[in-house]
Amino acid sequence: KNQVEQSPQSLIILEGKNCTLQCNYTVSPFSNLRWYKQDTGRGPVSLTIMTFSENTKSNGRYTATLDADTKQSSLHITASQLSDSASYICVVSPLPSGSARQLTFGSGTQLTVLP
Amino acid sequence: DAGVIQSPRHEVTEMGQEVTLRCKPISGHDYLFWYRQTMMRGLELLIYFNNNVPIDDSGMPEDRFSAKMPNASFSTLKIQPSEPRDSAVYFCASSPNRSPGEQYFGPGTRLTVT
Repeated sequence: KNQVEQSPQSLIILEGKNCTLQCNYTVSPFSNLRWYKQDTGRGPVSLTIMTFSENTKSNGRYTATLDADTKQSSLHITASQLSDSASYICVVSPLPSGSARQLTFGSGTQLTVLP
Repeated sequence: DAGVIQSPRHEVTEMGQEVTLRCKPISGHDYLFWYRQTMMRGLELLIYFNNNVPIDDSGMPEDRFSAKMPNASFSTLKIQPSEPRDSAVYFCASSPNRSPGEQYFGPGTRLTVT
């Protein structure tokens, strides 16, 4: 069964600090991996998407990395801001990528940034 | 574009009552998805449509759940009768193409069944 494991489950950091969230997956063969940010009371919003051939993808202060060999991805947040407080969800799409049923969602990492 | 629109944003109902959740996808998107999110299980795909046709409803938990998409701009998710264990946040999402990962989520409906 395809699985996506995220760690840590929750994280508290001070404003201005950096942090790294982890995503390990067993999905194979693999099409793409996406990180979503979900603010409290809102729907998830896509931050980055990476295919199996990409190692890194940036979106402002967010940088995602992917190691397809070890089936690991990380999301690094630089110079955190209070607005970064949210749940971060890793979603993996297998090959063939035709069915939405095949998407595998992680349970998310709840990040809290304190002033 | 206003994005995916869901209504109501909050719904509180008593066990046994019928609940109808509504969704307006982004114009031009061919795919529409209904998800349920709980602390215990995270995001779960319930059903999705392509060009208004249900493609996969294997995630619908029971016969009490039903979904329709009468046209390209409107979908409903109905629970009848509702039970306390249905309490969750229900998200609608739409996608512009066949890539299932590129989904745009609505703000969700928080359902509480007492």
